Amino acid sequence: DQQVKQNSPSLSVQEGRISILNCDYTNSMFDYFLWYKKYPAEGPTFLISISSIKDKNEDGRFTVFLNKSAKHLSLHIVPSQPGDSAVYFCAASAPNFGNEKLTFGTGTRLTIIP
Amino acid sequence: EPEVTQTPSHQVTQMGQEVILRCVPISNHLYFYWYRQILGQKVEFLVSFYNNEISEKSEIFDDQFSVERPDGSNFTLKIRSTKLEDSAMYFCASSPQAGNTEAFFGQGTRLTVV
Repeated sequence: DQQVKQNSPSLSVQEGRISILNCDYTNSMFDYFLWYKKYPAEGPTFLISISSIKDKNEDGRFTVFLNKSAKHLSLHIVPSQPGDSAVYFCAASAPNFGNEKLTFGTGTRLTIIP
Repeated sequence: EPEVTQTPSHQVTQMGQEVILRCVPISNHLYFYWYRQILGQKVEFLVSFYNNEISEKSEIFDDQFSVERPDGSNFTLKIRSTKLEDSAMYFCASSPQAGNTEAFFGQGTRLTVV
């Protein structure tokens, strides 16, 4: 039951260029979306989120775009830095329907090439 | 900066034994969660806990699992009779409120059942 999908298991990007990570979801009740970054042997670290009433949220080098009609969101990192190399997880929840739990995608391993 | 702390970082146990994984959530947070990640797979929700009771649990969280907040600061996950397939990283998380807010994750406990 893959309600949240990240179809690219890995992505390599040159340092200084834009990294674009994609995520698709199937559950129409999801109304809050998050991106987490994870290094090996560490817990997920929150990066940025967006609620369904918005289509864009920006925080420094990170921007998340939400296309509700396509049930698609993306994370843009610009410019990409070597420290951005990690696994990125998309997650979704339905807090306005009383469901606080996060449903995660399978992750995309981002490698920034110096 | 406040953080979620988990102990131990690594636990090795024999099949059939009981284990208790411990977590100290961020002090003013109200919602607590356990997630797990089997090697190579996605992060999966196990259980959420609010107001001293389970608010939601997944299919994975069967009668072998239990959670407790014994003293107002610790939050524990007990697995009564461990199975080989319980081997995973277990992450505790907490959030300050319901609604559109992120969950903060601990660094995880690696459970190895032999």
